[in-house]
Amino acid sequence: AQKVTQAQTEISVVEKEDVTLDCVYETRDTTYYLFWYKQPPSGELVFLIRRNSFDEQNEISGRYSWNFQKSTSSFNFTITASQVVDSAVYFCALIPISGGYNKLIFGAGTRLAVHP
Amino acid sequence: EAQVTQNPRYLITVTGKKLTVTCSQNMNHEYMSWYRQDPGLGLRQIYYSMNVEVTDKGDVPEGYKVSRKEKRNFPLILESPSPNQTSLYFCASSLTTEHREKLFFGSGTQLSVL
Repeated sequence: AQKVTQAQTEISVVEKEDVTLDCVYETRDTTYYLFWYKQPPSGELVFLIRRNSFDEQNEISGRYSWNFQKSTSSFNFTITASQVVDSAVYFCALIPISGGYNKLIFGAGTRLAVHP
Repeated sequence: EAQVTQNPRYLITVTGKKLTVTCSQNMNHEYMSWYRQDPGLGLRQIYYSMNVEVTDKGDVPEGYKVSRKEKRNFPLILESPSPNQTSLYFCASSLTTEHREKLFFGSGTQLSVL
């Protein structure tokens, strides 16, 4: 089976707390891409990061960081010093090569609420 | 400005009344696709198109049709909408079918079928 699991349905934090959103994926493919998207209350989907299966380097972009571990099939997303503007639904997604790159498989999403 | 434009943004209709949701991109992208978003299920792919006149089913194609007569347009057609098609719909495009480029999403269409 090819799937993405985001076990945390909702997370609530207070501003300035660090928060990690978990993403576990399943695929038989050795070549695949992983993504994170943000969906703010306005509804649009905002691309955050793309990572291919051959690149296990962790990435940091400002307050955002991503930890990709093939050994545990996880691609977790951490927000440091969270802010109210980070409140959104976050989706992790997978594109396996066996779908000819045509299938983008989304997790169910994690709703993050950051309170002042 | 590079964008994917969906219309309408909101639509309320009744069971059985045919409707079309339009999607247009101005980036000369080859690949376009439609998704529906439902609570607890994330986004699921309905149909995709790798280029003009090339379309294929995604995971949940039942009750939907698409066409790709021009590169920029990829309309989603509901011939006889039913209440279980009430959902938030997204159109997306990318430069190539390999998805190495990021996927650009439209703003979404909230459809309610009564």
